[in-house]
Amino acid sequence: NAGVTQTPKFRVLKTGQSMTLLCAQDMNHEYMYWYRQDPGMGLRLIHYSVGEGTTAKGEVPDGYNVSRLKKQNFLLGLESAAPSQTSVYFCASSPSYTSFGNEQFFGPGTRLTVL
Amino acid sequence: AQSVTQPDIHITVSEGASLELRCNYSYGATPYLFWYVQSPGQGLQLLLKYFSGDTLVQGIKGFEAEFKRSQSSFNLRKPSVHWSDAAEYFCAVGAPGGYNKLIFGAGTRLAVHP
Repeated sequence: NAGVTQTPKFRVLKTGQSMTLLCAQDMNHEYMYWYRQDPGMGLRLIHYSVGEGTTAKGEVPDGYNVSRLKKQNFLLGLESAAPSQTSVYFCASSPSYTSFGNEQFFGPGTRLTVL
Repeated sequence: AQSVTQPDIHITVSEGASLELRCNYSYGATPYLFWYVQSPGQGLQLLLKYFSGDTLVQGIKGFEAEFKRSQSSFNLRKPSVHWSDAAEYFCAVGAPGGYNKLIFGAGTRLAVHP
């Protein structure tokens, strides 16, 4: 049982390049989330998904797109990377048997640098 | 709007000393409150959570937290800190709208001196 995994672990991009971060979970969770973590700002929600084929905007969605074609996978895309997107990105998942108060399970993170 | 404040950015304690990390929240109703820990280079792990009932909550690794509605606080405590407790600690509150969304505080980085 791997839990939540993220690919890649590290990436360096040049401004304007695109990339996709992959999140996979094997816990059959309905809900999945993408966060970015910046020093002194905690974790901020970028996008989330409440089931296969659904996505919704979080607190800081600009410059990012997401897709959830399969229940176990949640992809985060950067179409044209900017230095302001240099951050550590975390994926998380959560069960749906209640809509409030369930634990989120986190992946190990992806450290992205945009030059 | 809901928010979480962790007033201490960095805290340093000696091994064996007691620890208290502060968390204040802003929320209209009874909040769902969480403490997560992030070890260096790792993802976040849940330490404990509060929904209702007993205001003193026990968690993993010897941590506990106390919910005080009158002070809008949910402080994390440990009676005796170990060197392995050095990490970053995040307080979070359940966000409105459901789907188990969370609002995180900025975090407190804990250093432990031998």
